[in-house]
Amino acid sequence: KAGVTQTPRYLIKTRGQQVTLSCSPISGHRSVSWYQQTPGQGLQFLFEYFSETQRNKGNFPGRFSGRQFSNSRSEMNVSTLELGDSALYLCASNGGLNYGYTFGSGTRLTVV
Amino acid sequence: AQTVTQSQPEMSVQEAETVTLSCTYDTSESDYYLFWYKQPPSRQMILVIRQEAYKQQNATENRFSVNFQKAAKSFSLKISDSQLGDAAMYFCAYRRYNAGNNRKLIWGLGTSLAVNP
Repeated sequence: KAGVTQTPRYLIKTRGQQVTLSCSPISGHRSVSWYQQTPGQGLQFLFEYFSETQRNKGNFPGRFSGRQFSNSRSEMNVSTLELGDSALYLCASNGGLNYGYTFGSGTRLTVV
Repeated sequence: AQTVTQSQPEMSVQEAETVTLSCTYDTSESDYYLFWYKQPPSRQMILVIRQEAYKQQNATENRFSVNFQKAAKSFSLKISDSQLGDAAMYFCAYRRYNAGNNRKLIWGLGTSLAVNP
């Protein structure tokens, strides 16, 4: 069974640009969650999607958005990038069990 | 709001020895899940062990075991017979049990574990 796939692995963007990150969950998993990981703030929840609907959203500005497609693949978008958006963005999929999450290897975003 | 605290930013252990990583949490709920995740340099977050709060028995996965003290809100991870491959960041995480639309994980800041040969 293939794991959670995140693309790209690395990304360098300039302040003010926008970026789109992609996450393909484990086949059959309908829930996808996104987390931002930084050295200072640790891991923070961004949002969760289930069957194409956003089920929960963390405390992030509106520049952070996401969506989920009918095949459960998810994308997150960050507009008007700021230096502070530099982080590792992790995606996790859940197969409907009440506790199991499988993570991808993340996308390392650097904003210069 | 729930919080998770890992008071040891860095730990080290000799190969083949035992090490315990600490985690405390704060919640007003009675049912929840607790997790330990490992993040090696490859960055992928790997589930090490999980504990359901309604279970009194401490979870065990091979060389990894937990000491779950519900009243004290403590959830420590013991790694026995440490191996070089255990070197990584270890994160403690909490999730509500009947989470409904609020299934997010709440994380500690992590403990960096070094294993010395």
